[in-house]
Amino acid sequence: ETGVTQSPTHLIKTRGQQVTLRCSSQSGHNTVSWYQQALGQGPQFIFQYYREEENGRGNFPPRFSGLQFPNYSSELNVNALELDDSALYLCASSGGVRTTDTQYFGPGTRLTVL
Amino acid sequence: QKEVEQDPGPLSVPEGAIVSLNCTYSNSAFQYFMWYRQYSRKGPELLMYTYSSGNKEDGRFTAQVDKSSKYISLFIRDSQPSDSATYLCAMRNTGNQFYFGTGTSLTVIP
Repeated sequence: ETGVTQSPTHLIKTRGQQVTLRCSSQSGHNTVSWYQQALGQGPQFIFQYYREEENGRGNFPPRFSGLQFPNYSSELNVNALELDDSALYLCASSGGVRTTDTQYFGPGTRLTVL
Repeated sequence: QKEVEQDPGPLSVPEGAIVSLNCTYSNSAFQYFMWYRQYSRKGPELLMYTYSSGNKEDGRFTAQVDKSSKYISLFIRDSQPSDSATYLCAMRNTGNQFYFGTGTSLTVIP
């Protein structure tokens, strides 16, 4: 069974640019959630995708958008990057959206905005 | 007020000690409670989850939830140096949103 993978591992961008981060969910999982984790902080929920539809969103502006593909992999897109967007971006997959469906996290993509 | 409050520590204990980690929350819509462990430069790893008040035990770990006080705890018995990590509490509400604490940094000294 393959775990959650994310790419790239590290990324450096400049303010105003756009970035796309990618996540492959664990085998058999149809739900992907994205989180932003600033240094020394807990993960902040960005949004969740279930069967290619957004299924829950945290307090992030519209310049944070996402996609989920038929194979349940997912992308996180961030437009008009700001310095405060520098963080570890985590993807988590689960087998569904029920209360008992546990999320399994990938290793994250570390984004630095200069 | 944050949705979830967690003492960031750091917490340093000798090997073999009992560790108590705690979180409080303000939103009674939280129905599902989790504890994650995160090693440096890694993604969080699920340790335990529960959705009811009371205790749940798994090996050296015990998760405790008190919904009336809006308080959750994780106890680690016979702590080991390999338990040194950041521990995150997390909660899920009925609207399918997830909230994490800031994490408590734990060091177990051999």
